[in-house]
Amino acid sequence: DARVTQTPRDKVTEMGQEVTMRCQPILGHNTVFWYRQTMMQGLELLAYFRNRAPLDDSGMPKDRFSAEMPDATLATLKIQPSEPRDSAVYFCASGLAPKKSGSGADTQYFGPGTRLTVL
Amino acid sequence: QQQVKQSPQSLIVQKGGISIINCAYENTAFDYFPWYQQFPGKGPALLIAIRPDVSEKKEGRFTISFNKSAKQFSLHIMDSQPGDSATYFCAASNPTSGTYKYIFGTGTRLKVLA
Repeated sequence: DARVTQTPRDKVTEMGQEVTMRCQPILGHNTVFWYRQTMMQGLELLAYFRNRAPLDDSGMPKDRFSAEMPDATLATLKIQPSEPRDSAVYFCASGLAPKKSGSGADTQYFGPGTRLTVL
Repeated sequence: QQQVKQSPQSLIVQKGGISIINCAYENTAFDYFPWYQQFPGKGPALLIAIRPDVSEKKEGRFTISFNKSAKQFSLHIMDSQPGDSATYFCAASNPTSGTYKYIFGTGTRLKVLA
């Protein structure tokens, strides 16, 4: 049963500390998304990769957030320095975009999320 | 123009009743409309999706109704069950443009009373 995995599942840290969240997309998927979920803002798209290249990170605070895909099996989201307002659940999702641009649609498969609490 | 407006924010339905959640969009370029279901402590999961070339899609107790001219779509849950209690998100995307990111609605928290 293929699924997206995320680590850690829970993270409590103090303001100013670096936080790294990891995601393993479903094998063979070529799109990866990072979302942040809060009660106030709902699901916000932070960054979006296709074939490991960043396509859109306009939703991400650039001064403290960074997202990378070192290889096809690992996506990372880093916050440095972390702040209390970063407390949220961070989801990774993966999908398979058709090779032919403009055809079909990929379902996004979400991981279980990382619950981040910044004190 | 990129927003997807979802209502109601919360919904309480008796077991066996019909749950209806509505979404509206502005961007006519959207051409894929999925609904996601999220249980507490879990990630959202695809429930059902529709493209604008059809006005309705049904899968079991779940039906999407789509009104292209009004730029609205809705999720109907027939014979609602306590196990349907979850948060539901509508979304819209424009895969024909080559981008696959979703614009999500704000979510509807559904509670089905036993």
